[in-house]
Amino acid sequence: KNQVEQSPQSLIILEGKNCTLQCNYTVSPFSNLRWYKQDTGRGPVSLTIMTFSENTKSNGRYTATLDADTKQSSLHITASQLSDSASYICVVVSSNTGKLIFGQGTTLQVKP
Amino acid sequence: DSGVTQTPKHLITATGQRVTLRCSPRSGDLSVYWYQQSLDQGLQFLIQYYNGEERAKGNILERFSAQQFPDLHSELNLSSLELGDSALYFCASSAGLPGPYEQYFGPGTRLTVT
Repeated sequence: KNQVEQSPQSLIILEGKNCTLQCNYTVSPFSNLRWYKQDTGRGPVSLTIMTFSENTKSNGRYTATLDADTKQSSLHITASQLSDSASYICVVVSSNTGKLIFGQGTTLQVKP
Repeated sequence: DSGVTQTPKHLITATGQRVTLRCSPRSGDLSVYWYQQSLDQGLQFLIQYYNGEERAKGNILERFSAQQFPDLHSELNLSSLELGDSALYFCASSAGLPGPYEQYFGPGTRLTVT
């Protein structure tokens, strides 16, 4: 069964600290892997999109990595800000079906 | 503002009823996607249309149907509504098929079934 698993489920960090969120997937073959940020009650906003041949991609203080061999991805947030408090969602797109398979998300809370 | 519009913003209806949610994609985008997000749950992909044709289907119930019109706007029809259908419904659009195209999400329609 194609799955996308994220860890941790939730995380609390202090403002200014770094953190790393994990995404393990079994979707194969896959077209691309995406990370989204979703504020409560709002639509997700894309952070990064990586194809299977890319290892890393940055968007400001967000850096995503991808290891297609181990089927793992991570999202690293540097120098966290209060506005980073949100849910972060990993999405893998199946090459075979075109379906987008979502992880359950990691809820990040940044405290002052 | 993503450029994707959804109406209505909120909808309250009773069990057994039928509702239609509407989505207008960003100008120039050909793909439209529908998602369901229940309370405290992740996003569930429902269905995708590309230039008027259905391209991918996810966990969409038989009571639900969708279509994309020639002007590229899309509608999601939900019928025989149940309490468990209460959720946020998001529409997203992208330029093409789900290759590495950016997906832009609308603000969502919050459906409450009483």
